[in-house]
Amino acid sequence: DSGVTQTPKHLITATGQRVTLRCSPRSGDLSVYWYQQSLDQGLQFLIQYYNGEERAKGNILERFSAQQFPDLHSELNLSSLELGDSALYFCASSVGQGAIYGYTFGSGTRLTVV
Amino acid sequence: SQELEQSPQSLIVQEGKNLTINCTSSKTLYGLYWYKQKYGEGLIFLMMLQKGGEEKSHEKITAKLDEKKQQSSLHITASQPSHAGIYLCGADSTSGSRLTFGEGTQLTVNP
Repeated sequence: DSGVTQTPKHLITATGQRVTLRCSPRSGDLSVYWYQQSLDQGLQFLIQYYNGEERAKGNILERFSAQQFPDLHSELNLSSLELGDSALYFCASSVGQGAIYGYTFGSGTRLTVV
Repeated sequence: SQELEQSPQSLIVQEGKNLTINCTSSKTLYGLYWYKQKYGEGLIFLMMLQKGGEEKSHEKITAKLDEKKQQSSLHITASQPSHAGIYLCGADSTSGSRLTFGEGTQLTVNP
């Protein structure tokens, strides 16, 4: 157990629907990062939050949004889902920002859009 | 933006053999991470390298970062079936806001 908790582990939903993925960071970690892993795109950075504030954005679609709450857990909202959104979504956490702190990954949420 | 190229893309070895996976960056590396992933599962942290010339080992796995900090190698000695999986290198951005990953190396170890 890495200490980063992601729920649910699996999600199957239909096109056009909206889902919410949840991440609880490791105790004491202030940064949360979201990644998407698909077969054709590899592991892609989506967005980062630090202590409730958005700090960096990557290849995140406008249909996707995220937030980090005061208790530091984070949610990734995916709307108007398309077949191509099927992927593994990972959350990672870190004490601060940067290489010296390290990144710990959760076990991921597998999203299947049918 | 920084790009990481891993080689080989896939590797099949016989149990007991040594192997090396390479990760080459288009820019200077400020922090280089190696992770292992079983297919469809989470990423397991292996090692982090920051300084040019740095070398770290854990059990039978050794990782090095070259002096110019643009290439890293992961070496497995006397491979075992438990080493099988996808090995990913990830590079920290200068702002520390994200990791950029290589495409991964699929390792198969045949008993």
